[in-house]
Amino acid sequence: AQSVAQPEDQVNVAEGNPLTVKCTYSVSGNPYLFWYVQYPNRGLQFLLKYITGDNLVKGSYGFEAEFNKSQTSFHLKKPSALVSDSALYFCAVRDPSTNDYKLSFGAGTTVTVRA
Amino acid sequence: EAQVTQNPRYLITVTGKKLTVTCSQNMNHEYMSWYRQDPGLGLRQIYYSMNVEVTDKGDVPEGYKVSRKEKRNFPLILESPSPNQTSLYFCASSLSSGVAYEQYFGPGTRLTVT
Repeated sequence: AQSVAQPEDQVNVAEGNPLTVKCTYSVSGNPYLFWYVQYPNRGLQFLLKYITGDNLVKGSYGFEAEFNKSQTSFHLKKPSALVSDSALYFCAVRDPSTNDYKLSFGAGTTVTVRA
Repeated sequence: EAQVTQNPRYLITVTGKKLTVTCSQNMNHEYMSWYRQDPGLGLRQIYYSMNVEVTDKGDVPEGYKVSRKEKRNFPLILESPSPNQTSLYFCASSLSSGVAYEQYFGPGTRLTVT
């Protein structure tokens, strides 16, 4: 069975500092990994994904994520956080080796960037 | 504008009164899905559809029904709602059932069952 964990409920950083949101996954095969962001009272928006290839993936709004197979992690990073990055972030995983098409999300991490 | 729409956005109902939440996308996407979002639990998949007339259960399908008679529409039906179905519901779609494609989410429907 596939699953994803986001070990931190909340992350607080000062504007201009690096931001990291952690994600670890569990699948039987090679994963498809995604990051989504949810702003207050809005639906989720896609940030980036890892399917195959380069372990460092760049996405929207200056975010990037690094796939680490040995640590089964896919941490989201931004070198210099903005107040406008304050939102709820979700990691998601899909195991393409299975015969279903389920997508599993983590519980989410609330990011607060203080001015 | 490419979008996923859901109706209604807010709904308060009573236990046992059948309801339908509609979902429509204008992107000709094959794959559509319903999720519920609960605090501390993230998003959990209820049902998904790979194409017209092809649907399958997600992780929490109990108490819900879906249908996919047209490519653009994927309604969620609660035949006999109960208070534990009070939640925030999201519909999403993506280009294909391969699910390597990113999903586009609707704005959400906040359901309260009393």
